[in-house]
Amino acid sequence: KNQVEQSPQSLIILEGKNCTLQCNYTVSPFSNLRWYKQDTGRGPVSLTIMTFSENTKSNGRYTATLDADTKQSSLHITASQLSDSASYICVVSDRGSTLGRLYFGRGTQLTVWP
Amino acid sequence: EADIYQTPRYLVIGTGKKITLECSQTMGHDKMYWYQQDPGMELHLIHYSYGVNSTEKGDLSSESTVSRIRTEHFPLTLESARPSHTSQYLCASSEQRSGTEAFFGQGTRLTVV
Repeated sequence: KNQVEQSPQSLIILEGKNCTLQCNYTVSPFSNLRWYKQDTGRGPVSLTIMTFSENTKSNGRYTATLDADTKQSSLHITASQLSDSASYICVVSDRGSTLGRLYFGRGTQLTVWP
Repeated sequence: EADIYQTPRYLVIGTGKKITLECSQTMGHDKMYWYQQDPGMELHLIHYSYGVNSTEKGDLSSESTVSRIRTEHFPLTLESARPSHTSQYLCASSEQRSGTEAFFGQGTRLTVV
């Protein structure tokens, strides 16, 4: 069964600190993995995309890693800001269907305190 | 910011009413999707479309219906709203090519009382 598991479920950190969010997936055949940021009451917005051959990709203070062998990804946030408070969702796309199905994790709820 | 819009943003409605949630995109995307999301839970696909006159049911069974008469427009209708329909509904679109980014609207928070 295609699944995406994220940990931790929630995380509280102080402003300026770093944190790492984890994503494990069983989606096959794998197409790509995206990390989305979803602010409360808003739609998700893509932060990074990782394909099979990519190990690391950065977008400002966000750095995503992918280990396609172990089917694990992480999102590292550096020097956190209050505006980073949001849900971070790991989304894996398969390439085994015409639709290119998206499989969503439940997200990690990050709260940054001043 | 993605060019995909949902209206209304918030809706409180009585049981038994008929409602239509609007979704429009100006990116010319062929694929469009409706997701349902409860607080703290993952998104569940309830409807999708490959293009005009194409509609399919998603993974999560839903009493809602959709239509795709125009490329840019993908409305979702509930003929008779119930409290169990209370949720956030997110519309998304993407290019036809598999694996491309899905762009999401702001969502409609529906409350049925």
